[in-house]
Amino acid sequence: DIQMTQSPSSLSASVGDRVTITCRASQSISTYLNWYQQKPGKAPKLLIYAASNLQSGVPSRFSGSGSGTDFTLTITSLQPEDFATYYCQQSYSTPRTFGQGTKVEIK
Amino acid sequence: QVQLQESGPGLVKPSETLSLTCTVSGGSISSYYWSWIRQPAGKGLEWIGRIYTSENTNYNPSLKSRVTMSVDTSKNQFSLKLTSVTAADTAVYFCAREVAASGSRYFDPWGQGTLVTVSS
Repeated sequence: DIQMTQSPSSLSASVGDRVTITCRASQSISTYLNWYQQKPGKAPKLLIYAASNLQSGVPSRFSGSGSGTDFTLTITSLQPEDFATYYCQQSYSTPRTFGQGTKVEIK
Repeated sequence: QVQLQESGPGLVKPSETLSLTCTVSGGSISSYYWSWIRQPAGKGLEWIGRIYTSENTNYNPSLKSRVTMSVDTSKNQFSLKLTSVTAADTAVYFCAREVAASGSRYFDPWGQGTLVTVSS
């Protein structure tokens, strides 16, 4: 199985801050990497697919980068509605695996 | 747009079989992979497996011996059976469509999720 490791596990930030979350794969996965946002009691929502493609309807303050084993999700100006947990997920092989999540909290 | 809705018992006894169905509306179930993903309370996401046709399935090796997935194209539904459940199987269970685009695959959309509790 491909292990996905996110860092940090949690962070505190203020509205307007730039936030960066990293995800590392245990082996190269090219750009088969997706990012999801999950709010309490809700299903995950796709933000970024294929490492850097913004899903339709997702604000442009979200961006993704990386290839191989190292990936980044960036939120350029954190908004109140962005406080949530973020997960990376690899689709290079089965079983599909997710990172452990990064909880973004209000400072 | 495509919408998914999970259904099934919210309470299952230990050692029994968990059975869930996902109903797809707004589009055809054909020509896509359909996955089940679960999330214990306060924890991360675990992929259970996926189905394309009844003959084309992939299961997580950690659960493979207990999982069976099936699809009913006439009803636009797919199903999950998990046998010999224990308290460790208590979780919110999501169904999701796996989409292929830009050389990658991703889960979109997801169902709202259904809580299954394993308890006597």
